[in-house]
Amino acid sequence: SQQGEEDPQALSIQEGENATMNCSYKTSINNLQWYRQNSGRGLVHLILIRSNEREKHSGRLRVTLDTSKKSSSLLITASRAADTASYFCATVDYGQNFVFGPGTRLSVLP
Amino acid sequence: DSGVTQTPKHLITATGQRVTLRCSPRSGDLSVYWYQQSLDQGLQFLIQYYNGEERAKGNILERFSAQQFPDLHSELNLSSLELGDSALYFCASSVDRGEAFFGQGTRLTVV
Repeated sequence: SQQGEEDPQALSIQEGENATMNCSYKTSINNLQWYRQNSGRGLVHLILIRSNEREKHSGRLRVTLDTSKKSSSLLITASRAADTASYFCATVDYGQNFVFGPGTRLSVLP
Repeated sequence: DSGVTQTPKHLITATGQRVTLRCSPRSGDLSVYWYQQSLDQGLQFLIQYYNGEERAKGNILERFSAQQFPDLHSELNLSSLELGDSALYFCASSVDRGEAFFGQGTRLTVV
């Protein structure tokens, strides 16, 4: 069964706008990670947030984690056409199980 | 380059056949994960190995099997192939619960 569930399934925005994607999960986690996938390619790690952290930044990326609501969000600021990709959250439990959600497909229009 | 190598990159085979996909993890990574991704779909977790031992099993069909060898490389065996098995198969490796590094995948087409 899916652990992480991203929302929305697809998102289309204009260049320069911010993109927000959400991820909900069901069980206890050690950390939550976000990945990016360009069409047909391997996933690339973006950012990891641990269960005792609430917010993390990396460049134009901002990730929040609310363990009480079992949810996380990924914000991409000042989006670019090159950000067009699918974004996946992955939950990692204490047994080292990685479970990926179905992903959000982001389209950034020039 | 993630450091994870998957071979072959592409594979075309007929229904009923058997294939073996190979994965070499990053140096030092003890965990290997296998995922299946059908066209424009999310990743379905198949199986995880840790230092040669099976650690977790996901939605892996009985026709599929995997193993991790003493040198830590892993193989995914798919048998009695069906059209619906056509997909991208990814291998990933990690250290403990940290970042997972993905290979570029093997695109399997069953005709």
